[in-house]
Amino acid sequence: SQTIHQWPATLVQPVGSPLSLECTVEGTSNPNLYWYRQAAGRGLQLLFYSVGIGQISSEVPQNLSASRPQDRQFILSSKKLLLSDSGFYLCAWRRTGIEGYTFGSGTRLTVV
Amino acid sequence: AQSVSQHNHHVILSEAASLELGCNYSYGGTVNLFWYVQYPGQHLQLLLKYFSGDPLVKGIKGFEAEFIKSKFSFNLRKPSVQWSDTAEYFCAVNAGNNDMRFGAGTRLTVKP
Repeated sequence: SQTIHQWPATLVQPVGSPLSLECTVEGTSNPNLYWYRQAAGRGLQLLFYSVGIGQISSEVPQNLSASRPQDRQFILSSKKLLLSDSGFYLCAWRRTGIEGYTFGSGTRLTVV
Repeated sequence: AQSVSQHNHHVILSEAASLELGCNYSYGGTVNLFWYVQYPGQHLQLLLKYFSGDPLVKGIKGFEAEFIKSKFSFNLRKPSVQWSDTAEYFCAVNAGNNDMRFGAGTRLTVKP
């Protein structure tokens, strides 16, 4: 069966510090991978998606970047965090366009 | 641009009341439609999905949704809610590309 792992679960970082959130999928190959941010009252905002190794599409220009160094690994990064980067970040994967997503457990990021 | 609107931000119902959560999308082509649910402290889970066929879709836990193409809507319904249905509900649309757009979410509170 397929599983998705996302870590860390919670993170408190100072403004200006770097960020690296990791997401890995097991039990499948060539998944579509996604990073979403969930902000209170604003629902789920798509940040990045990837359909293959090294292929990243960015939806919202901002202080974050994503990379896919391996088929089942998706990393969300920032060189210098801003207060506005605080939020709940969700990784998700799916196989084909008609299937729903499977979400990771999320990372609660607080920038102080 | 493709968008998803959930007009009810917070709905409060008593147990046994009927539920209908609105979802409208703006895309003229073929769409795949989803409802996700996030119970307090839990992951996002797929509630139901529509991609073709009968526009009335049955999901888990007694939920159903009806796709009305002419109205660009995919409203979620349940005849009789329970306290355990308290959660946040997200409508999502995939329009054949590789990403999925989510609505802002509707928080449902069911009073026992």
